[in-house]
Amino acid sequence: SAVISQKPSRDICQRGTSLTIQCQVDSQVTMMFWYRQQPGQSLTLIATANQGSEATYESGFVIDKFPISRPNLTFSTLTVSNMSPEDSSIYLCSVEGGISYEQYFGPGTRLTVT
Amino acid sequence: RKEVEQDPGPFNVPEGATVAFNCTYSNSASQSFFWYRQDCRKEPKLLMSVYSSGNEDGRFTAQLNRASQYISLLIRDSKLSDSATYLCVVIQTGANNLFFGTGTRLTVIP
Repeated sequence: SAVISQKPSRDICQRGTSLTIQCQVDSQVTMMFWYRQQPGQSLTLIATANQGSEATYESGFVIDKFPISRPNLTFSTLTVSNMSPEDSSIYLCSVEGGISYEQYFGPGTRLTVT
Repeated sequence: RKEVEQDPGPFNVPEGATVAFNCTYSNSASQSFFWYRQDCRKEPKLLMSVYSSGNEDGRFTAQLNRASQYISLLIRDSKLSDSATYLCVVIQTGANNLFFGTGTRLTVIP
């Protein structure tokens, strides 16, 4: 499976500010995914990021709030914009692993908005 | 209706016990099925894929029942290190994202 790293691992931010989360993979992958896991909840997909095209957002998530970059096949960023306390969550990136479409996750970024 | 539903537990079992989790999914066109394990404050990690014929990996056995649209995970001879949240995950045909259950919390007690 791929080795995935995320930066930062955690942050505490003030409302109204923005945070950019980085995801780095040790091999080239076509698709990268960004998820959110709110406290006590399961994972919810935010968007799918393909290199060379616009990210595809799931219902309830918009590009203005969660802009995504995918400049190459090993890297992606997710920005959480104009943050509010409701954005406090763990944000995880993932990549597809194999022929059965299983995914492997980065260690996550724990965001607290005050 | 949720795509994937699990009993949230918690399941508290003694060491050495056998414990089973079930998960149901709503879309009959679902194609791929997995169990993930998530430790506290960690990312989900793939535990095992679930095949139509069922599959076993050491103390862990996964079963798929397409007719009833449920997936099961059986853990035999529970260890303290098995304490975690177990997530049922389903991929629908043609989709490239995973639908997660809310997870079942297991605590193995000495």
